[in-house]
Amino acid sequence: DQQVKQNSPSLSVQEGRISILNCDYTNSMFDYFLWYKKYPAEGPTFLISISSIKDKNEDGRFTVFLNKSAKHLSLHIVPSQPGDSAVYFCAVPTSGTYKYIFGTGTRLKVLA
Amino acid sequence: NAGVTQTPKFQVLKTGQSMTLQCAQDMNHEYMSWYRQDPGMGLRLIHYSVGAGITDQGEVPNGYNVSRSTTEDFPLRLLSAAPSQTSVYFCASVGAGGVDTQYFGPGTRLTVL
Repeated sequence: DQQVKQNSPSLSVQEGRISILNCDYTNSMFDYFLWYKKYPAEGPTFLISISSIKDKNEDGRFTVFLNKSAKHLSLHIVPSQPGDSAVYFCAVPTSGTYKYIFGTGTRLKVLA
Repeated sequence: NAGVTQTPKFQVLKTGQSMTLQCAQDMNHEYMSWYRQDPGMGLRLIHYSVGAGITDQGEVPNGYNVSRSTTEDFPLRLLSAAPSQTSVYFCASVGAGGVDTQYFGPGTRLTVL
């Protein structure tokens, strides 16, 4: 049973518009969440994170929102740029360890 | 500072062959791990190590062995390759800065015929 789910395998957005990527989790004990970005033929790279004591974290064009009651987080990219085209994974480090559980990923395509 | 390096980038094996995927990091990170990425499955943890001489199983360890004789190196061994092990393999290490500081290698694409 997947503990971290990304239900949208792909998303296409026009350049300059907002991209919203979603992630759901099942375990209410999860207390920290990360987003990774992955380009083809490269390893994932850390993008942004959020602790469960917050409901929002912002870094430039990237904002992550956390809704603990719904067990849902989302990544907003505003404005979207063609260079943002990549696969985005949400991930959770299991409590007290560096054992990460990854979602299945969402492929974002930003159209010029 | 090369970060996390993996060799080879590509490999084709026949069923039953064995091989070792190499991983090295030059950041003096204690924690290292191996993941496999399959379509529709995300990244799944195979094995991990919290330091030299210490390894443990992740979510999908069957068919793989690891060892950690030095801080820098964390090789992954396929004992008898099977087509189900066709995947992209990523090695990663985590720095002292905590869970945000996980760095991945570029990956090894393995095909088992």
